[in-house]
Formats: sequence, C-alpha cells, structure tokens
Amino acid sequence: DVKVTQSSRYLVKRTGEKVFLECVQDMDHENMFWYRQDPGLGLRLIYFSYDVKMKEKGDIPEGYSVSREKKERFSLILESASTNQTSMYLCASTPGRSTDTQYFGPGTRLTVL
Amino acid sequence: GEDVEQSLFLSVREGDSSVINCTYTDSSSTYLYWYKQEPGAGLQLLTYIFSNMDMKQDQRLTVLLNKKDKHLSLRIADTQTGDSAIYFCAESTGGFKTIFGAGTRLFVKA
Repeated sequence: DVKVTQSSRYLVKRTGEKVFLECVQDMDHENMFWYRQDPGLGLRLIYFSYDVKMKEKGDIPEGYSVSREKKERFSLILESASTNQTSMYLCASTPGRSTDTQYFGPGTRLTVL
Repeated sequence: GEDVEQSLFLSVREGDSSVINCTYTDSSSTYLYWYKQEPGAGLQLLTYIFSNMDMKQDQRLTVLLNKKDKHLSLRIADTQTGDSAIYFCAESTGGFKTIFGAGTRLFVKA
C-alpha cells in the first residue's frame, strides 16, 4: 500500500513565523502535490513537483514556496505565516507522468494566530 | 477555465440510496474521479471512470457519466452511517493537474 505521511496533524503558529510542512511518500512516486482545503472551496493546488528539484506553481502559490531535494520528500514553506493561511494542508503523490490516482496524506491543520 | 461544481450538502436516511451530482467544464477530461474524505483524514480514491465509458458499477457504487452534458453522478445503494463523509468529484485531462470540486458532505440519518 502507498503511504503518504505528513509531519504534523495539527500545528499552531504565530503571524510572521516561518513554517515548514513536510510530506513523505514511500512508493517512489514521481509527482508530489500540495493543496490547501477550505470549506466551500474544495482543494486548491499550491505547488506541485514532477521530479527532484523541479517545481511548478499551482493555482495559489503566493505566500508559499516548496522544496524537493529528495524524491520521497516534498516540503511546503510559509516564509512569513499570515492568518489567511490558516487552513488544512494536504499532500498527495502520483506514480508517473500521466493521469494517475492521487494518494493523499492525512492532512495538517494549520492555525496561524 | 476548468471548473468542477457540486452541491455542498446531502442528507439521506440509512438504507436509502444517495446520489451525488457533479458538473465539469473541460470537455477534454480523460478521467473523472470520486474521492471520499472521512473526518480527520485525507482523501481516498473511491472510484473513477474513463471518459469513453457511460457507467461503472462497483458493489454498492454506480458512477454515471453524461459526456454531452458534462455531468457525473455517484450513486451509493443502501447507504449506511459509515458512508457519512465528504465526497469530492475531480477531473483530469492527462496532464499533471487534477481539478477538484468543493466536496459534497453526505449526512446519513440513522
């Protein structure tokens, strides 16, 4: 079974803090994704990566950056957290370059005070 | 642009059938998906349908695709309280991106 893990289930940070959200998958997947999930808005793509050190902006990249130094790990970085970044963050991965099923982690609920 | 729309809430009685509907805008969609999200968890793939199919059945689940109207539905037969969750419709066109709907919260009354 594919396993996608996220470093924290719940996180509380203060405005202006730098925040790191980590995601690890154990099935040698090529593609990894970061989404945020807000009520009534569904999932919105922040960034995705199709290979080590490669990244592409999604629909809402402002205020975020990402890092993929190793194939299994994809990090989402909030350089200076703001209250409007309070949300549920979901990481996902897919095996190859075509239209694959997305495998999701359990999510990190981030609250920025 | 690409868009996937679905109603936000559905309430049914235990034992009844549930039908969750979804519309999408991209006519070049290759795959259409239904994901399920249980409380406190990430999304899990429930089922999917390839765009050249009209229907797919998998135990209690039936997916209907009307490509002309760009309408996708998920029917859950004999709905149980354990089916209470948020159901996301999603589409992809063969690239990297999958477009998700806002999710339909299914509430099953015992």
